[in-house]
Amino acid sequence: NAGVTQTPKFQVLKTGQSMTLQCAQDMNHNSMYWYRQDPGMGLRLIYYSASEGTTDKGEVPNGYNVSRLNKREFSLRLESAAPSQTSVYFCASSEPTGPGELFFGEGSRLTVL
Amino acid sequence: QQQVKQSPQSLIVQKGGISIINCAYENTAFDYFPWYQQFPGKGPALLIAIRPDVSEKKEGRFTISFNKSAKQFSLHIMDSQPGDSATYFCAASIGGYQKVTFGIGTKLQVIP
Repeated sequence: NAGVTQTPKFQVLKTGQSMTLQCAQDMNHNSMYWYRQDPGMGLRLIYYSASEGTTDKGEVPNGYNVSRLNKREFSLRLESAAPSQTSVYFCASSEPTGPGELFFGEGSRLTVL
Repeated sequence: QQQVKQSPQSLIVQKGGISIINCAYENTAFDYFPWYQQFPGKGPALLIAIRPDVSEKKEGRFTISFNKSAKQFSLHIMDSQPGDSATYFCAASIGGYQKVTFGIGTKLQVIP
């Protein structure tokens, strides 16, 4: 039972390059999320998808785009990476109602030079 | 501005001692308060959660205390063990789902 799987685990980019972080979950959850984690800032929500076919902005959406490809997959794209986007990115999934437990992947560490 | 304020940012406790992490919130619409535990190189995982109609919830060595009037809640880890060394995040949400707002995290180190 893999849970939430993120790829890649590590990536180094140059300023201005683009890349996509992939996320897949096998728990049949309806809702999926992308967070970034930075020292002293905690976890901040970038985008979320309440259900297949919908996406909404979170707290820090600027510079990112997302695609809910199907119920299992939710990708995060950086069109023109900036050093301020150096961070650890976490994908999570949950049911849209109920106790609200988020199930996180192991993270993708991104460095933008 | 932080909707959920967490302190301290780091904490060192001796084995067998009590670890205490405090959080405060402003939005009275929050009605679900989970705590997440994160080990190095891993994603956060739900540890324990409470709703505001309860003043205390205990699971093993972990206890959440909730003070609705003060808009504060805290995590107590009794008989702290080196295996408890991790980063702990308090969080809050409305309706228990969707936009979960996290505190900045507390890095706990339990020394032998």
